[in-house]
Amino acid sequence: LQLQESGPGLVKPSETLSLTCTVSGGSISSNNYFWGWIRQPPGKGLEWIGNIYYSGRTYYNPSLKSRVTMSVDTSKNQFSLNLNSVTATDTAVYYCASVHSYNYYMDVWGKGTTVTVSS
Amino acid sequence: QSALTQPPSASGSLGQSVTISCTGTSSDVGNYNSVSWYQQHPGRSPKLMIYEVTRRPSGVPDRFSGSKSGNTASLTVSGLQAEDEANYYCSSYAGGNHVVFGGGTKLTVL
Repeated sequence: LQLQESGPGLVKPSETLSLTCTVSGGSISSNNYFWGWIRQPPGKGLEWIGNIYYSGRTYYNPSLKSRVTMSVDTSKNQFSLNLNSVTATDTAVYYCASVHSYNYYMDVWGKGTTVTVSS
Repeated sequence: QSALTQPPSASGSLGQSVTISCTGTSSDVGNYNSVSWYQQHPGRSPKLMIYEVTRRPSGVPDRFSGSKSGNTASLTVSGLQAEDEANYYCSSYAGGNHVVFGGGTKLTVL
């Protein structure tokens, strides 16, 4: 199983950050996994953003819930993240990962993509 | 949900053992056997080292072990090697299909 993030590396303040994660080597329509987004600001720790199931059920970090939308496209084996009204504090490396649906561990991670919020 | 608490740094000499703690609450670490640990080298993605408190994925050396007591989980690295120098993060299920991470611990091998 491999995951690969893609999307713009630069987003203007107040606009929407949009990223896609492409899953290869396995089906996104697996009962065993959620699909998750995690971010890491420069020099800081990991922050869970949210998980999505192949059915479209979503679960978001309460601190980001008002600005986050996740979606899944099973035909393309992809899932996506939208984060609106971004500010400089949203500058981070964004990772997608497979999240085991029984005990919530992240066993496969993408390489990460750096998103900078700046005008 | 609040982040789990980890010491910012830990260190040990080559060949020695070091233990990193991860303290949560009765709503996360203390209530579920869903603690996992990740190793992250600079510029790299996190790598799963321990899941379900004590289990190791295939390929992870048995020098890495996990445990839990009450609201605190621990990662022990025995027989420290130079390549173990990295940042380590714990994570726990926090109910309601939510996940919480620790702040991370920088492990230095002396």
